[in-house]
Amino acid sequence: GDSVTQMEGPVTLSEEAFLTINCTYTATGYPSLFWYVQYPGEGLQLLLKATKADDKGSNKGFEATYRKETTSFHLEKGSVQVSDSAVYFCALLNTGFQKLVFGTGTRLLVSP
Amino acid sequence: EAGVTQSPTHLIKTRGQQVTLRCSPISGHTSVYWYQQALGLGLQFLLWYDEGEERNRGNFPPRFSGRQFPNYSSELNVNALELEDSALYLCASSLVGSASSYNEQFFGPGTRLTVL
Repeated sequence: GDSVTQMEGPVTLSEEAFLTINCTYTATGYPSLFWYVQYPGEGLQLLLKATKADDKGSNKGFEATYRKETTSFHLEKGSVQVSDSAVYFCALLNTGFQKLVFGTGTRLLVSP
Repeated sequence: EAGVTQSPTHLIKTRGQQVTLRCSPISGHTSVYWYQQALGLGLQFLLWYDEGEERNRGNFPPRFSGRQFPNYSSELNVNALELEDSALYLCASSLVGSASSYNEQFFGPGTRLTVL
């Protein structure tokens, strides 16, 4: 079945450091790919998405490119802030079933 | 515009009891989804309702059930609670889902269920 693998956390960075969180997927067909963020005590928020190969999703300084050849969707940000501390989830969706398949989440801790 | 709302916020039950969780979607959304976020298991899809019908179900036993009302709100019922049902239950809503397109799922804050 469909699955998403993302790097174990926590990822600990200093403010203004470069961030990469790796995500790879296994899926039938051509899924859409997403990054969601969960701040402490809150639900999930969509951070960015890409619906086809080579699409780049971007939002709030975060970027991810849909790489079909490597089945990857790595999340990057050039300069993280303390306020970016949260848990980040990579996910895929095959439209036929309308169910999001999530990775296990990566906790990001940014210190001043 | 109000987002997805869920009630209650927290819930404590004992093994064998039954529980009902509630979700109100964003106005205009007809699809409701339920996900379980259990410690160590990550986020798993439970159920998808659209226009009052169950459209898809995750790999959960039949004691997990639900329904969607004519106003598109939804309930998740869990019977014969087990310790491993302790989790954060997230509800999401979207415009009508279809087999050929995706509409963004907006998540509520969740209901935290603790089973003792």
